[in-house]
Amino acid sequence: GESVGLHLPTLSVQEGDNSIINCAYSNSASDYFIWYKQESGKGPQFIIDIRSNMDKRQGQRVTVLLNKTVKHLSLQIAATQPGDSAVYFCAENYHTGNQFYFGTGTSLTVIP
Amino acid sequence: EAGVAQSPRYKIIEKRQSVAFWCNPISGHATLYWYQQILGQGPKLLIQFQNNGVVDDSQLPKDRFSAERLKGVDSTLKIQPAKLEDSAVYLCASSLQGRANEKLFFGSGTQLSVL
Repeated sequence: GESVGLHLPTLSVQEGDNSIINCAYSNSASDYFIWYKQESGKGPQFIIDIRSNMDKRQGQRVTVLLNKTVKHLSLQIAATQPGDSAVYFCAENYHTGNQFYFGTGTSLTVIP
Repeated sequence: EAGVAQSPRYKIIEKRQSVAFWCNPISGHATLYWYQQILGQGPKLLIQFQNNGVVDDSQLPKDRFSAERLKGVDSTLKIQPAKLEDSAVYLCASSLQGRANEKLFFGSGTQLSVL
């Protein structure tokens, strides 16, 4: 099947700065996307989702942007905190059976 | 609301041995998934259940992996015999009805080391 990929495998930011994590997807039929956060030793935790009929969605300190033209997702984290240090995955859904396909992930490190 | 429960948290076995993992999804969730996450990679879907039926097991290595969800609630995933390349975290996830565009909720996983 087609894969979901991430541009940057690692990202380091200063505490208080904004973070941007990018994700490229290749299946134009994907219609639903989720960003997950995975801390060491834990399972993926839902952060925010977006449907393909939207370009932007905001949550608490997080914003997801979807550009269908270039098949690109980004996750923006405002005022990054040490607790945001984790691996972030984007997952795409293009199967009617609600199956998700994950990219490799980006490791975010927040420097105090 | 209780989350997805998995056990054990860790398992170390030798190659060619067998191992089983258990998962109890969020109460009321009809759809259950098993994912395999190799170190440094994203989770990869192994099998999806809807109640006690299999929706998709196309990525499950059926010569050594098996899974069941007999009563449509909890599930077990078995590997027999294990190979070195099976070392990974096995994640269980559930969703409410398995309809398109539903959120998946994950357990903490079972970390398997095959020596």
